[in-house]
Amino acid sequence: DAMVIQNPRYQVTQFGKPVTLSCSQTLNHNVMYWYQQKSSQAPKLLFHYYDKDFNNEADTPDNFQSRRPNTSFCFLDIRSPGLGDAAMYLCATSRDRGQGRDNEQFFGPGTRLTVL
Amino acid sequence: AQSVTQLDSQVPVFEEAPVELRCNYSSSVSVYLFWYVQYPNQGLQLLLKYLSGSTLVKGINGFEAEFNKSQTSFHLRKPSVHISDTAEYFCAVSDQDRGSTLGRLYFGRGTQLTVWP
Repeated sequence: DAMVIQNPRYQVTQFGKPVTLSCSQTLNHNVMYWYQQKSSQAPKLLFHYYDKDFNNEADTPDNFQSRRPNTSFCFLDIRSPGLGDAAMYLCATSRDRGQGRDNEQFFGPGTRLTVL
Repeated sequence: AQSVTQLDSQVPVFEEAPVELRCNYSSSVSVYLFWYVQYPNQGLQLLLKYLSGSTLVKGINGFEAEFNKSQTSFHLRKPSVHISDTAEYFCAVSDQDRGSTLGRLYFGRGTQLTVWP
């Protein structure tokens, strides 16, 4: 089945120690998103890639970076995690809006990040 | 930017009772509407979506939603809930702006549905 895969499902890191979360997709979608979701809150968009074009949300901290080496993979790098960065990180994909398509987003299972 | 309001942060119901989760949005343009469900420690799963056509949309797990343009609402309903429906439910909106190749999703804050035996 076509899907969005996130690894690892649970990640523990130390305060200030860089961490990388990964996302891969078999849907061949050209748009990939990273969301941060804190407890009992809606997902908050951090950034997205439209093909290779990177688009950062205005309020995304510089501490968060992303890489998309190819269509299938996208990485979220947190350079110096703080206690406030503990959250669920969700990866999602969609097609673009061309040819009358809607932009339904397909989500991965998420990575739960704990910062000690 | 769109604004999505889910009026109820928590909805407790007994098993086999009907339930309605409310969603209102603010928009003066045509929109796409979505309901997602999130089980504990999992990602979001699409329940149903409204793109155009019939205002009554049927989704998975027996859920349905009705689009009401005049009231800018998209309430989610199920006539008889199960304990397994216990989860967080998110309403999301995207505008149909054809000038943009990317449709942003704007999420509500979520409604926690808890079904008691």
